[in-house]
Amino acid sequence: EAGVAQSPRYKIIEKRQSVAFWCNPISGHATLYWYQQILGQGPKLLIQFQNNGVVDDSQLPKDRFSAERLKGVDSTLKIQPAKLEDSAVYLCASSSRAGPSYNEQFFGPGTRLTVL
Amino acid sequence: GNSVTQMEGPVTLSEEAFLTINCTYTATGYPSLFWYVQYPGEGLQLLLKATKADDKGSNKGFEATYRKETTSFHLEKGSVQVSDSAVYFCALIVTGGGNKLTFGTGTQLKVEL
Repeated sequence: EAGVAQSPRYKIIEKRQSVAFWCNPISGHATLYWYQQILGQGPKLLIQFQNNGVVDDSQLPKDRFSAERLKGVDSTLKIQPAKLEDSAVYLCASSSRAGPSYNEQFFGPGTRLTVL
Repeated sequence: GNSVTQMEGPVTLSEEAFLTINCTYTATGYPSLFWYVQYPGEGLQLLLKATKADDKGSNKGFEATYRKETTSFHLEKGSVQVSDSAVYFCALIVTGGGNKLTFGTGTQLKVEL
């Protein structure tokens, strides 16, 4: 079974530029999560989707961050414009509401963003 | 709110040494507790979990016991290997909280020959 795929793996941009990250969850997983992991800290949930609907986006900085999951499968997270403090690893995870791994979150390898 | 506190790293051990990584938590409801591991260059992987008080989660020689009285979930392994070198994260999910993971800051483990 293929895992959670993310791209790109690394991205370097100047502040005030825009950037987008892509995530392909495990096939059949209805729930998709985006986490931000700043160096030296634990991951923090930015947004959670159930199919193509938003369940929780309470910690998403909506003035600059946006995310979508139009067909309930792939998702894109965008930052526009980026700030220095957005430098972090962006992790995507997915989970299923059925089966032996009920609600267990499976993580992708992450995208490391550096804002200069 | 919910929070997880882990011992700071890095923790450096010799191979075959005993490992303990401390984790304590605060939660507004009844949490399930998890340990995740992040090997260099890889994503987070679930190592073990416990969903109710006094449960013991175990995997790959690691174990942790859910202690409600001390709000703790310490990770232990009797004999570490070089291949255990990684960052370990303690985390919780509160029932009814939408499956949102709250993580600690992570503890880096380095195992040397």
